[in-house]
Amino acid sequence: DQQVKQNSPSLSVQEGRISILNCDYTNSMFDYFLWYKKYPAEGPTFLISISSIKDKNEDGRFTVFLNKSAKHLSLHIVPSQPGDSAVYFCAASAFTSGTYKYIFGTGTRLKVLA
Amino acid sequence: GAVVSQHPSRVICKSGTSVKIECRSLDFQATTMFWYRQFPKQSLMLMATSNEGSKATYEQGVEKDKFLINHASLTLSTLTVTSAHPEDSSFYICSAPKSSGSPLHFGNGTRLTVT
Repeated sequence: DQQVKQNSPSLSVQEGRISILNCDYTNSMFDYFLWYKKYPAEGPTFLISISSIKDKNEDGRFTVFLNKSAKHLSLHIVPSQPGDSAVYFCAASAFTSGTYKYIFGTGTRLKVLA
Repeated sequence: GAVVSQHPSRVICKSGTSVKIECRSLDFQATTMFWYRQFPKQSLMLMATSNEGSKATYEQGVEKDKFLINHASLTLSTLTVTSAHPEDSSFYICSAPKSSGSPLHFGNGTRLTVT
């Protein structure tokens, strides 16, 4: 039962254009959402997060949008740069069994073309 | 710089042996650490939640006797893969939040290969 889904396994974008990565979740108990970037053979690096009380959070070139009614979030990267090429994971968190648990999506491989 | 350190980064072992993976929080105290496993081209699967001073909480389908977790101090959690088999070959990653409910910081992972 995949509670967090990223339906696009890969995405190619031209340098300078916008990259939009999407994520859907099923559990309405999730109240905190995060995006991570991952290079091969390394651990994920935290990028940006959003609380369920907000619908948008922006940090430099990265903006995360949350649509609670649709149980959908997206990460916008603009302008995209070749160095952004990596696998991006979304994650959702809920307080359960006495602690916060973080569930990850399957990832989207972003390739930014120079 | 890195805030979570994981060691070793790569290990090859023979079937039937045990392997210990260490995870340290470098500049904060981690009462909770999380162990994930990633198969090729798949998601990060939560294996267990490591709690300092108490027993770990394992996710459904994860054998607690096979994946022993010890969180003996506020900066160290260890995962021991006991009697490893080739199907245990995977990428294991630990993580910890600096405070409850804050973003997870990940180690660089351990690539385990069981021959």
